[in-house]
Amino acid sequence: DADVTQTPRNRITKTGKRIMLECSQTKGHDRMYWYRQDPGLGLRLIYYSFDVKDINKGEISDGYSVSRQAQAKFSLSLESAIPNQTALYFCATSDFSGITDTQYFGPGTRLTVL
Amino acid sequence: AQSVSQHNHHVILSEAASLELGCNYSYGGTVNLFWYVQYPGQHLQLLLKYFSGDPLVKGIKGFEAEFIKSKFSFNLRKPSVQWSDTAEYFCAVTASTSGTYKYIFGTGTRLKVLA
Repeated sequence: DADVTQTPRNRITKTGKRIMLECSQTKGHDRMYWYRQDPGLGLRLIYYSFDVKDINKGEISDGYSVSRQAQAKFSLSLESAIPNQTALYFCATSDFSGITDTQYFGPGTRLTVL
Repeated sequence: AQSVSQHNHHVILSEAASLELGCNYSYGGTVNLFWYVQYPGQHLQLLLKYFSGDPLVKGIKGFEAEFIKSKFSFNLRKPSVQWSDTAEYFCAVTASTSGTYKYIFGTGTRLKVLA
């Protein structure tokens, strides 16, 4: 689904480096999310944003920061990458209707920290 | 704390077998419930969702799920699986408590269907 795009799709970096993962959406949704997926742990929420001026920490925000540059863009930064941040990262948007909140995921970014 | 449990981590079935994947959540308030599917090499996509009304929800590709409030469960079912159903399945719950919003995923169940 090209409505939610992520760049880069794959990245290998070294410990201590600063990394930025970018997410863009054309769905017009206000809500955006960053998750990481680890085998056996499912998806865990890192940060979420309900609109451009609203940023919230998720379950595992330590070591990460985000920026909501516009309704359509939500970036995730690792200020100083460490090996245990090696994971698959997903961006998502959602169309909260006041009743239900379906998420639409991007293709993911596979990050390896050496 | 709110949580979502998927007790089956790996399931292997032959084609045409029936499928039931368990999902239990811990939250006493109003919840919305979802099943997402992740096919190999692809991103997650919605399979079905429940937010109110008929507790038996039908989704895409012949999947259905039943919300049983008394059991805090939302199990996913399919009468006859196909090889193309090989994927990882995630149950998710959204809930609001004390003004805090949560979207919680289970750890996933990896289904392999043998041709």
